Amino acid sequence: QSALTQPRSVSGSPGQSVTISCTGTSGDVGDYNYVSWYQQHPGKAPKLLIYDVSKRPSGVPDRFSGSKSDNTASLTISGPQADDEADYYCCSYAGSYTWVFGGGTKLTVL
Amino acid sequence: QVQLVQSGGGVVQPGGSLRLSCVASGFTFTNYGMHWVRRAPGKGLEWVAFIRFDGTNKRYVDSLKGRFTISRDNDMNMLYLQMNSLKVEDTAVYYCAKDAHLGLALDIWGQGTLVTVSS
Repeated sequence: QSALTQPRSVSGSPGQSVTISCTGTSGDVGDYNYVSWYQQHPGKAPKLLIYDVSKRPSGVPDRFSGSKSDNTASLTISGPQADDEADYYCCSYAGSYTWVFGGGTKLTVL
Repeated sequence: QVQLVQSGGGVVQPGGSLRLSCVASGFTFTNYGMHWVRRAPGKGLEWVAFIRFDGTNKRYVDSLKGRFTISRDNDMNMLYLQMNSLKVEDTAVYYCAKDAHLGLALDIWGQGTLVTVSS
């Protein structure tokens, strides 16, 4: 149950795309298409952005997208907005009703 | 309105116990597994525990070593986390969260409750 690996911070401007990586192992990210992504603003509860690697819940803007290759999942934000400045966490199912989160990435919108 | 409302946090001395509660409304509680997740100061989210919709299967993060117990009362739409032998490193905001209606994720979160373990 080691935490998934994410970059500590990323930054981007509204005209760019920003990608946050999430590296796990063959026991979690690599074995299951059950990677989810969460956005957390300071003092708030996390919010689900992406589930099952690339699916968006109703109400999540389409500038958020997810993908996965082997043991690494990615969240891409196309044209981040000021309100997207927050912490982002990946999470993977790890089998036998256990889950593991990434260490979190702070997004700064320039 | 689908929501989870938490209670039960506070300050406790090392070695003490605390029980967190989470009441669900706006959805059929008995149909969904439930989780506890925590965030320690300056750290990221950590998955803590899961309980199946019917309470028949419970799982925990390995590092807890049996100190915490997750439970639920489906008649009262309640989720609990009993925390024993608390350590300073258990200090965190604790969140309850619901299994997603679609896919395998956590789609509804409680507001969080702060647990501070300090002498």
